[in-house]
Amino acid sequence: DAGVTQSPTHLIKTRGQHVTLRCSPISGHKSVSWYQQVLGQGPQFIFQYYEKEERGRGNFPDRFSARQFPNYSSELNVNALLLGDSALYLCASGGTDNEKLFFGSGTQLSVL
Amino acid sequence: RKEVEQDPGPFNVPEGATVAFNCTYSNSASQSFFWYRQDCRKEPKLLMSVYSSGNEDGRFTAQLNRASQYISLLIRDSKLSDSATYLCVVNMPPGTYKYIFGTGTRLKVLA
Repeated sequence: DAGVTQSPTHLIKTRGQHVTLRCSPISGHKSVSWYQQVLGQGPQFIFQYYEKEERGRGNFPDRFSARQFPNYSSELNVNALLLGDSALYLCASGGTDNEKLFFGSGTQLSVL
Repeated sequence: RKEVEQDPGPFNVPEGATVAFNCTYSNSASQSFFWYRQDCRKEPKLLMSVYSSGNEDGRFTAQLNRASQYISLLIRDSKLSDSATYLCVVNMPPGTYKYIFGTGTRLKVLA
């Protein structure tokens, strides 16, 4: 069975641009969460979606948005990129009702 | 106070040693607890859940102390392959759907 898949694996953008990251959860999982991990820190919670609805939001500015599609895949959008947005963006499947989280391999975003 | 706190380390231990990590959490209503392992520039991978009664998986033992609000991970007979960052994860109270990660504790097992 396929695990959580994310695309692209690497991305280079310049300040002010926008970016879209994609994620497909494990088959059968209806929940997708997004995390940002800056070097040397633990992953920081951005969003959780379940059945296409936002269930949770972390302390991130409105430049960050996400959505979940009928097939449970998800997109994370970041507008007006800042240098500080450079990070590893992780998508996780599962996590509802205290379930375990399973992570994709992430998208490494570099903002120049 | 941070919601989840860990000693960042690094912990440098010789092969065969026993090493223990602690993690404290601030919200007494938290219900689920996990340890994840993360190798450099890779995604976190679930190591084990942490149950109230304590649980063991081979060389790894996890314990939860609700009264003092901390969880622990014990690694016995350390292997070189155990070198990684160990992340403590706490699920916030029901309805928030937030899993909070600690900053991670770096472990380096030396030959």
